[in-house]
Amino acid sequence: EPEVTQTPSHQVTQMGQEVILRCVPISNHLYFYWYRQILGQKVEFLVSFYNNEISEKSEIFDDQFSVERPDGSNFTLKIRSTKLEDSAMYFCASSDRLEFRFFGPGTRLTVL
Amino acid sequence: RKEVEQDPGPFNVPEGATVAFNCTYSNSASQSFFWYRQDCRKEPKLLMSVYSSGNEDGRFTAQLNRASQYISLLIRDSKLSDSATYLCVVNTKGGNNRKLIWGLGTSLAVNP
Repeated sequence: EPEVTQTPSHQVTQMGQEVILRCVPISNHLYFYWYRQILGQKVEFLVSFYNNEISEKSEIFDDQFSVERPDGSNFTLKIRSTKLEDSAMYFCASSDRLEFRFFGPGTRLTVL
Repeated sequence: RKEVEQDPGPFNVPEGATVAFNCTYSNSASQSFFWYRQDCRKEPKLLMSVYSSGNEDGRFTAQLNRASQYISLLIRDSKLSDSATYLCVVNTKGGNNRKLIWGLGTSLAVNP
């Protein structure tokens, strides 16, 4: 069964450093998403991506965040200058329909 | 009123019990509804969509009450493996601009 993959599974970084979280969506999907979940809190939408551009972003997705689809398979989330409050699980998701989401296993980001 | 609200639980039930969760939503124009399951520190996985007529998948039954603006999930003959957090997800916009709002989740522990 096809699945979304994410790397790394755990990233530890110093405050102020840049991080890039990587995702490989399911191959025939057209819609891509990033979500985050701070420990013990709800899943929060960050950004959606379709047709090689951002289709929607939340208030959380400020200028420190960017997304790219550098080739036909990868979908990345970059945080330019990490803050302590960026520590969370970051989930990539993809779908072939607007309603559904197939999630990757997540990257746990720890900012020290 | 929160956009999507769930009783966080935890619900502690014995194996074989029937358990039901409710989820209320505030936007009466919400179009579609979902239940996701999330195991501890894992990604959310779609459990089932919720249709106006209600739907059943094995031991799981989901129902929608538009008048009262809530959805429900019923689990019959609960198994140890049903222990997880159950997330209510509501699509708050129609058309092509879909925005999924996530509940905080209801924690279920099925005990032997």
